[in-house]
Amino acid sequence: NAGVTQTPKFQVLKTGQSMTLQCAQDMNHNSMYWYRQDPGMGLRLIYYSASEGTTDKGEVPNGYNVSRLNKREFSLRLESAAPSQTSVYFCASSFSPGPGTDTQYFGPGTRLTVL
Amino acid sequence: AQSVSQHNHHVILSEAASLELGCNYSYGGTVNLFWYVQYPGQHLQLLLKYFSGDPLVKGIKGFEAEFIKSKFSFNLRKPSVQWSDTAEYFCAVMYNNNDMRFGAGTRLTVKP
Repeated sequence: NAGVTQTPKFQVLKTGQSMTLQCAQDMNHNSMYWYRQDPGMGLRLIYYSASEGTTDKGEVPNGYNVSRLNKREFSLRLESAAPSQTSVYFCASSFSPGPGTDTQYFGPGTRLTVL
Repeated sequence: AQSVSQHNHHVILSEAASLELGCNYSYGGTVNLFWYVQYPGQHLQLLLKYFSGDPLVKGIKGFEAEFIKSKFSFNLRKPSVQWSDTAEYFCAVMYNNNDMRFGAGTRLTVKP
């Protein structure tokens, strides 16, 4: 079991460029999440998907879009990157269909820098 | 808005010292409580969680946490830390089963 995998590990963008962060899990989990981690602020939820075909906004969704491609994959897209989106992005998954009470399993993170 | 506060940004201890990391959260209805740990170069992983029942929760690697509802607190403790406990620790609160909030994290350095 690879658990939760994320690609790429590192990325540097120029302001205005677009990119998609990929996340996949092989644990047959129903829910998937995207967080960003900034110094001194902990993790903040961007979007989540409680089940295949559904997505919901989290605490900081502005500037991002997501796609739950299938049960395994959940991608995060930055259409027009801004320096304020420089952060470490974590994908997570959990078995329960919804954030609920279940333990979340995290990927290794993607470090994104926007110049 | 809901919030989670971790009082200590960086804690430095010697091996065998006792540890207590504070976590307080704002009132917001039903809560489920978590402590996650991130060892250097590794993924976040769950240390322990509280959903209901005995407010003293035991987790992996000798960690425990106590839920004190009247104080809105969920402090993490370990009687005797080891060098391998050096990591960043995050308190997290799930509000009403759909709103997950993390604290800013506490970096623990254990000196051998």
